[in-house]
Amino acid sequence: GENVGLHLPTLSVQEGDNSIINCAYSNSASDYFIWYKQESGKGPQFIIDIRSNMDKRQGQRVTVLLNKTVKHLSLQIAATQPGDSAVYFCAENILWGLSEGAQKLVFGQGTRLTINP
Amino acid sequence: NAGVTQTPKFQVLKTGQSMTLQCAQDMNHEYMSWYRQDPGMGLRLIHYSVGAGITDQGEVPNGYNVSRSTTEDFPLRLLSAAPSQTSVYFCASSYGQGRLINEQFFGPGTRLTVL
Repeated sequence: GENVGLHLPTLSVQEGDNSIINCAYSNSASDYFIWYKQESGKGPQFIIDIRSNMDKRQGQRVTVLLNKTVKHLSLQIAATQPGDSAVYFCAENILWGLSEGAQKLVFGQGTRLTINP
Repeated sequence: NAGVTQTPKFQVLKTGQSMTLQCAQDMNHEYMSWYRQDPGMGLRLIHYSVGAGITDQGEVPNGYNVSRSTTEDFPLRLLSAAPSQTSVYFCASSYGQGRLINEQFFGPGTRLTVL
């Protein structure tokens, strides 16, 4: 079935440390994955994405790793800052429905990241 | 660009009432979608559209209708509100390139309460 989940619902880290948020997916046909950040009272905000032909992709202070063998995705945040406090969602893109080109994002439940001063 | 805008921000309805949640984007995106987010959960797809005049159902379409008469607008209609539809609703849009959504831009959300 389609299931995108997270190993940990909450993660607490010290300011300045690195954070690692994990995500498991079950659809082996998924070929595109996205990490979103959602702050309280706001809509999800795109952080970084990765296609299935890649194992790793780096952005500014963030790195996404994809292990297709075990269907695992992770988001690494370097030197975590107070502004990184939020709920982080992974999502996988799959074909859906009848319309040509139709796709949908299947979201995980989210991990709440809190930063300790 | 204003990005993705949603109105209203908050709404309280009584059971059985109908209403329309508005969504507009000014980025000329072909793909638009509606999600609902319930406490402690991720987003679930209600309806989506791959272009003007084309709509399709998502995971949880019951009780909702959509239309896409223009590229910019994608309203979501609640036909007869029920307490189970109490949720936060997000509209999103993105470029479409074949089967790849690419980055989705989300609106700020509408918080709906049905009494």
